[in-house]
Amino acid sequence: DAGVIQSPRHEVTEMGQEVTLRCKPISGHDYLFWYRQTMMRGLELLIYFNNNVPIDDSGMPEDRFSAKMPNASFSTLKIQPSEPRDSAVYFCASSLNGRLSEAFFGQGTRLTVV
Amino acid sequence: AQSVTQLGSHVSVSEGALVLLRCNYSSSVPPYLFWYVQYPNQGLQLLLKYTTGATLVKGINGFEAEFKKSETSFHLTKPSAHMSDAAEYFCALVSSGDKLTFGTGTRLAVRP
Repeated sequence: DAGVIQSPRHEVTEMGQEVTLRCKPISGHDYLFWYRQTMMRGLELLIYFNNNVPIDDSGMPEDRFSAKMPNASFSTLKIQPSEPRDSAVYFCASSLNGRLSEAFFGQGTRLTVV
Repeated sequence: AQSVTQLGSHVSVSEGALVLLRCNYSSSVPPYLFWYVQYPNQGLQLLLKYTTGATLVKGINGFEAEFKKSETSFHLTKPSAHMSDAAEYFCALVSSGDKLTFGTGTRLAVRP
């Protein structure tokens, strides 16, 4: 397996624009996590899914953020409208059997909102 | 609520010296504990994990960590640092549910 695949690797957008980040988890994994990493706040869990169902979205900062997992092989994180403070690296991770298992991370999407 | 505290955002050691990265946790139930490493411009990868059983856990690249319930600690050690160990290290835990909570990270620098 190629691992967790995120796209794009880099995204630069203007304030107010919609941004969509994409993630393909490892085949067979039943958990998917979205994290945001910034210098100020470190790694924050935004939301996670189990079997395509959102389980905990308490980390989603605002209504501008939304995440979907329409099937086991694809998830999106959308920001609409984007703001400069959303600039960060966004990681997707997947795991099998949740808590006992290693979470495999993608290489991240570096988002810059100008 | 569960939380992880990493003492020292930056640690610098000489090549060949002992590496000690500190992690303390807070959890209302027995936690599962992890150490991850992040190299520049990369995602995180697992070094080691503690779930149950033996409290001294060995991981990749010569790292190990010891779960000490009485001290609520899970410090990461390596007897002899290599230049290639320079990276950022994250302690993480899962207590209730499947939510993986990370500490703020410790950046390790290795001096020649």
